[in-house]
Amino acid sequence: GQNIDQPTEMTATEGAIVQINCTYQTSGFNGLFWYQQHAGEAPTFLSYNVLDGLEEKGRFSSFLSRSKGYSYLLLKELQMKDSASYLCAVRDSNYQLIWGAGTKLIIKP
Amino acid sequence: IAGITQAPTSQILAAGRRMTLRCTQDMRHNAMYWYRQDLGLGLRLIHYSNTAGTTGKGEVPDGYSVSRANTDDFPLTLASAVPSQTSVYFCASSDSGTDYYNEQFFGPGTRLTVL
Repeated sequence: GQNIDQPTEMTATEGAIVQINCTYQTSGFNGLFWYQQHAGEAPTFLSYNVLDGLEEKGRFSSFLSRSKGYSYLLLKELQMKDSASYLCAVRDSNYQLIWGAGTKLIIKP
Repeated sequence: IAGITQAPTSQILAAGRRMTLRCTQDMRHNAMYWYRQDLGLGLRLIHYSNTAGTTGKGEVPDGYSVSRANTDDFPLTLASAVPSQTSVYFCASSDSGTDYYNEQFFGPGTRLTVL
């Protein structure tokens, strides 16, 4: 079957760095997405990786290793507004997204 | 309209009743999707449409039906609601094709409670 694993919850301090991991087993691979979802709101797109390596976008970076079925989202200089759930999703061989359950990130002052 | 709209925002429904959740996008995206999101579970695909006039079943299609008469609208119908269909429903859209990442854009969601 298809499976996406992420930690359920993480806590970090304002101004610090946090890494959210995602491992996947899917039927085919056509890219990995990270989305941010604030409580009670819709998911919004953060990043996309299809080749191995690091993609940097401001304070956020995303890394992919296809051979290991592994990705991480790195958030730097954490701000209180970064408190949200972070969703990992893999596009499978049918070009449909398979979603992880999300990681709830709590930022403390 | 800017982006994707969904209606209603929330609804309490008696079991056995029929309900249609509405979704409209103005981005001229070919592909549209319906997901449900339940606590502790990832978004699960109910139905999708790659282009107007076509639809397909996702991971959890039972009890739901969709239609795609035009590019902009993609309604989701619960023919006879059951309590297990209590969830938050998100509609999303994207460009189709395989030559770009084609991120999905989400509507604000409909919170449905079936009693």
